[in-house]
Formats: sequence, structure tokens, C-alpha cells
Amino acid sequence: GDSVTQMEGPVTLSEEAFLTINCTYTATGYPSLFWYVQYPGEGLQLLLKATKADDKGSNKGFEATYRKETTSFHLEKGSVQVSDSAVYFCAITGANSKLTFGKGITLSVRP
Amino acid sequence: SAVISQKPSRDICQRGTSLTIQCQVDSQVTMMFWYRQQPGQSLTLIATANQGSEATYESGFVIDKFPISRPNLTFSTLTVSNMSPEDSSIYLCSVGQGISNTQYFGPGTRLTVL
Repeated sequence: GDSVTQMEGPVTLSEEAFLTINCTYTATGYPSLFWYVQYPGEGLQLLLKATKADDKGSNKGFEATYRKETTSFHLEKGSVQVSDSAVYFCAITGANSKLTFGKGITLSVRP
Repeated sequence: SAVISQKPSRDICQRGTSLTIQCQVDSQVTMMFWYRQQPGQSLTLIATANQGSEATYESGFVIDKFPISRPNLTFSTLTVSNMSPEDSSIYLCSVGQGISNTQYFGPGTRLTVL
């Protein structure tokens, strides 16, 4: 079945540091790829998505590129802020439209 | 994207009781889902709520424990029955929209069972 692997956390960065969160997936066919963010005490928000190979999703300064050859969808941001502190989930949907999530990674940004 | 609300936002319940969680969407949607997020964990799909027919449950989840209703295309309920402390979790509904069936989530219901 489909699976998503995220790098182990937690991650702690200083404000304005560069962020990379790795995500790789296993799936049959051509899944759509997503990053969701969960701020403390809140539900899940869609951060960005990509639906085909080489697509780049972007939002709020975050970017991720659908890399079919490496089955990856790494999340990047050039300069993180304290307000980016949250849990980040990588997820994919396959042909059955069901979302498969990674374990999530907690990001803490220090002032 | 659709606006999704859930009620209640949180509750504290006694062991052995049941709680029904409501999910309301501001537009008609075909696909609605229910998830559980146990403390410090990722999300696990409980079931797909099908309008006009029984929900489709994932492995490890059964209708007797988590009965689901979907009376129309904008509303669904999830009941957590005969609760135990292990049911303490956040329960989230989501809807699928668009060609890629992107899922958007409600704010969640934070349940604590004593």
C-alpha cells in the first residue's frame, strides 16, 4: 500500500534560518502530494500541494517540488519565523482518494 | 475551499458513555471522511462517510464502535460509543474537493475520556 516517510524530529531553528523537511513516498500510479500544517491547539490546514511530476507547490514562503524520479516532496523555506512553529505533515493521495500521512514533524523556531 | 465546522470543539466524557460529533460543510460535497489523531500522533482514517449508504470503515475500525451518519451532502456525524480512556483523541472530519480531491479539514473535536 501507499506510505509516506518523513525525517525524524523535532527540529529547532533560529529565526531567519533555512528550513528543509524531507519527505519521501511509496505509491502505485501517480499520487497527488500535500503538505499540511497544524498550529498548536488547532486543526489541519493545507499548506501546499502538487498534482503532477515537476510541479512546485508554494504558499506563505514555503515551497515543495514533486520529484517523481526520487519519489520525494521536500518542504523548504528560506527564512523561518517564530510564527512557523507548528507540526508539519506530508501526505499523498492515490487512486482511491484516501490520504496517507507521514508521522509529522514538530518545528520550533526560536526568536 | 469549503468552510467546515465541527461541534463540539472539545468535551470531557466519562468512561462507558457515548459522544456524537457533528460536521457541517457550507457547500455540497461528495466525499467526507473522519479521522482520529491520538496524542502526539499522526492522523488515521476511520471511515469514508457515504451519502445515502453505510460508511466504509478502515481496518481496525467497526460500525458498532464508530457509527457514522451522512443524511445529506453537507452534514455528517460520528459517534464514539462506549468510550474508554484510549478513545481520548482529536477527531477530525474532512471533505474532498476538486479534480485532485484535495482534502480540507474541520477544526477538530478534542475528546478526553476519564
